[in-house]
Amino acid sequence: GAGVSQSPRYKVTKRGQDVTLRCDPISSHATLYWYQQALGQGPEFLTYFNYEAQPDKSGLPSDRFSAERPEGSISTLTIQRTEQRDSAMYRCASSLGLAGATTQYFGPGTRLLVL
Amino acid sequence: ELKVEQNPLFLSMQEGKNYTIYCNYSTTSDRLYWYRQDPGKSLESLFVLLSNGAVKQEGRLMASLDTKARLSTLHITAAVHDLSATYFCAVDIGGGYKLSFGAGTTVTVRA
Repeated sequence: GAGVSQSPRYKVTKRGQDVTLRCDPISSHATLYWYQQALGQGPEFLTYFNYEAQPDKSGLPSDRFSAERPEGSISTLTIQRTEQRDSAMYRCASSLGLAGATTQYFGPGTRLLVL
Repeated sequence: ELKVEQNPLFLSMQEGKNYTIYCNYSTTSDRLYWYRQDPGKSLESLFVLLSNGAVKQEGRLMASLDTKARLSTLHITAAVHDLSATYFCAVDIGGGYKLSFGAGTTVTVRA
C-alpha cells in the first residue's frame, strides 16, 4: 500500500476484555515496529519484527501484551485482560531494510480507551 | 536510566524569527532522528542524522548532531505558520531498530 495502515482507528473496550490491533505495513518493508504513545508524550518502543522473526519484545509492558507477524507482512498486537492504564495510542511503523539506519514510517495509530 | 530530554517543551514563535529546539540524551548513540507530528496525525520523518557532526537542511529547518556532547539541535529559520506542529527527536538505542523518543516540543507560530 501507499502507507502504513492500522485498524481499527478507535477502540473502546471494557476492563478485562481482550483487544487485537492490526497493522498493515508498507508493502515490501522488512521491518515492523509497535509503539505505545501516551497523551502528550513521545512513542515508546514495544517490540519489532524482521519479517516474521521477533528479535526484541523487551518493551512489552507485561505478559498480557503479545504481537505476531506470522507471514512477515501484516502484524497484530493483542492485549489480554485490558486495564485502564492500557489506554493510549498504539502506533505501528515499518522500514524498508532489516533493522538499521533506515527511516521508520509511522501509521495513523489506534486509539484505545479502556473503561 | 536513559533520558532523552527536549527543550523547550512548548515554544511560541513569532513569524519571521529564528528559534532552536534542543535534544539532549544520556546514552552513547551516533544516530538520531527528528519527526514532526501535526495534531491528530501520525509522525512524519524530517531528518536522519547518522554520525557526529552531521547536518541536514530542508527548507527552513536545519538539524545537527554532536554525539560527543550528546546533543542535537533543530533550528528554525524565519518561522512561518505552517511550521506549527509537535517536533520529536528520537535516539537510536538498539542498533537501528529501537528508538527512544523525547517528549516532544509543541510549536505554535503566531503572526
